[in-house]
Order: sequence, then structure tokens, then C-alpha cells
Amino acid sequence: SSELTQDPAVSVALGQTVRITCQGDSLRSYYASWYQQKPGQAPVLVIYGKNNRPSGIPDRFSGSSSGNTASLTITGAQAEDEADYYCNSRDSSGNHLYVFGTGTKVTVL
Amino acid sequence: EVQLVESGGGLVQPGGSLRLSCAASGFTFSSYEMNWVRQAPGKGLEWVSYISSSGSTIYYADSVKGRFTISRDNAKNSLYLQMNSLRAEDTAVYYCARDQSWGDILTGYYYYMDVWGKGTTVTVSS
Repeated sequence: SSELTQDPAVSVALGQTVRITCQGDSLRSYYASWYQQKPGQAPVLVIYGKNNRPSGIPDRFSGSSSGNTASLTITGAQAEDEADYYCNSRDSSGNHLYVFGTGTKVTVL
Repeated sequence: EVQLVESGGGLVQPGGSLRLSCAASGFTFSSYEMNWVRQAPGKGLEWVSYISSSGSTIYYADSVKGRFTISRDNAKNSLYLQMNSLRAEDTAVYYCARDQSWGDILTGYYYYMDVWGKGTTVTVSS
């Protein structure tokens, strides 16, 4: 199956902006979706498609993509944004239906 | 309220079997495709299996192919995962997740999982 690669960890000062990237061949064919997961909790969808937020997700979360890279940006990070973030897309290799990224731990300082 | 509730997890010996269930409520279950996703302790998310709304189309991850079987009962608003020949590496929290797949050539195609259950824990150990 294709792989989606993310940086293992990033940190951001409270109120500042952080961008999380996700790289993989599948992203040339499919949009990424992004999930936030806090310790002991289920993942929550935060971005899907070109740049769409589900109801209830703050507008400080945004998404973008270019070539084989998708990005999730948190503009004005809050303490409650500290979590693991995973990208996900359909698998263009055809072996699997979906593939998840390796995950990024976001720490808000 | 749209909700997914998993059950059926537990401790099982290597080589054993377990059947997970996912009860759906608050939406028309029969209209949606569904997925199972798992997360091993301290690890990332891994997609496990997908089933179409009618049950006619099914996909599995290579890691579970031939051992796991996904199914659904639309009359009971329920999704299942039959897990056989369990291995230590199947130890994980198992989530069911509602699938969204839509779009067209003009808007682009969208694929994502918009509703997740809280998960059920499967431990494979002797």
C-alpha cells in the first residue's frame, strides 16, 4: 500500500500558527482528510476535501494541498488543540482502500 | 444524535476468535458505507476493513485478509467484525467509522470518515 508520511512532532506557542504536513503518492490523486485525537479519545474529523470543516470545528483549522503534499494549518493555536493529528486518503496503489498518515503530535507551549 | 457504539472486545488467546459489533443510531444506517479502524497501543491509526451500504462490496487491509470478516445487518442498524486466528499484533482499540464518499469530476472526489465510535479494546495474549 501507499504510505503517508508526517513529522512525528511539532510545537507551537499559544496563539501562534502551526502547519502539519502529510506526504504521499496517493495525495496526487485524492484529497486528504485530517483527524484530531486526544489521549484516550476517538479520532475527530477536522478537515476533509479541498478545505472543508465539519460543523463545530473552529475556523482556525484549515487545509491545503499541492502535488503530493497535504497540509493542516492551525492559525492561533489554543491549548485545547494539543493532540495527535492524522491525515488519511484513499490509497492510489489499489492495494488498500484507505491509508492513514504516521501521525503528528502537536504540543502547544 | 448521530452515534456509533462498539462492543465485543476483550481478552483472547492467540489463535482465538472474537466478534465485534457496532450499533448505529441517529442516522439512516442502510444508506452509508462503514469502516473498521484500529489503533495498537501507543501506535497510529490503521484502516482495517470497509463495507458498502448494501454489503456487496468489501475491502480488507492485507494484515487481516483471510482472517477477519466484515458484515452488516441493516435491519438491526449494526456492523460486525468477525476476527479469527487472532495474533498478538491484532491487539488494539477497534473503532467503527462512518464513511463518506461523494463528489464528481467538477467538484473533485471526497473520501473521509465523519463519525467515529469510542472504540472497543481487543487484547490477544496467553
